[in-house]
Amino acid sequence: DGGITQSPKYLFRKEGQNVTLSCEQNLNHDAMYWYRQDPGQGLRLIYYSQIVNDFQKGDIAEGYSVSREKKESFPLTVTSAQKNPTAFYLCASSIVGQGPGEKLFFGSGTQLSVL
Amino acid sequence: DAKTTQPPSMDCAEGRAANLPCNHSTISGNEYVYWYRQIHSQGPQYIIHGLKNNETNEMASLIITEDRKSSTLILPHATLRDTAVYYCIVLNYGGSQGNLIFGKGTKLSVKP
Repeated sequence: DGGITQSPKYLFRKEGQNVTLSCEQNLNHDAMYWYRQDPGQGLRLIYYSQIVNDFQKGDIAEGYSVSREKKESFPLTVTSAQKNPTAFYLCASSIVGQGPGEKLFFGSGTQLSVL
Repeated sequence: DAKTTQPPSMDCAEGRAANLPCNHSTISGNEYVYWYRQIHSQGPQYIIHGLKNNETNEMASLIITEDRKSSTLILPHATLRDTAVYYCIVLNYGGSQGNLIFGKGTKLSVKP
């Protein structure tokens, strides 16, 4: 089945540790996105990429890094510089240039907690 | 992009229609209205979008007022599985999907 796979479902980070969240899609979508969601809040954009080897910062990029070496993959690293990393992280993808019919497809999310 | 206002929560009886309102009084002529929903601990799911005409698909209907300052998402026969947070968003034609602003939405509780 086509879709977006995020792993792991739950992740724990120790103080000063970098952790990487995986996001893979087999929808052949050009664009991929990372969002952060805090309890009872909406989604905030961390990074997005519309093409391989290129990505842009979203609203809250500080303390995070990404790479886009393959069309199918867009991993997110939460660095030790992110002082409040506990949140639900969502990855999404979309077709670029489809116009108003373009829509986001989301993964099932990763819950990151600090030990 | 225009800002939207939604009630924080609503209840609906199972089998009845759920009507979720959204106010977007500052919407401009080239902005579309999108609806997504998020079931607890899952990623949001696209429902429907429209510009000025009413739209219907297998999930829901979208009614946009003539002045486009508000809209209503209708789930015709709500089930328990429709319990979720529903987000109303506006976005420019051709705007990046990454610019979709997911606010707090409306938490819909469908009750037996």
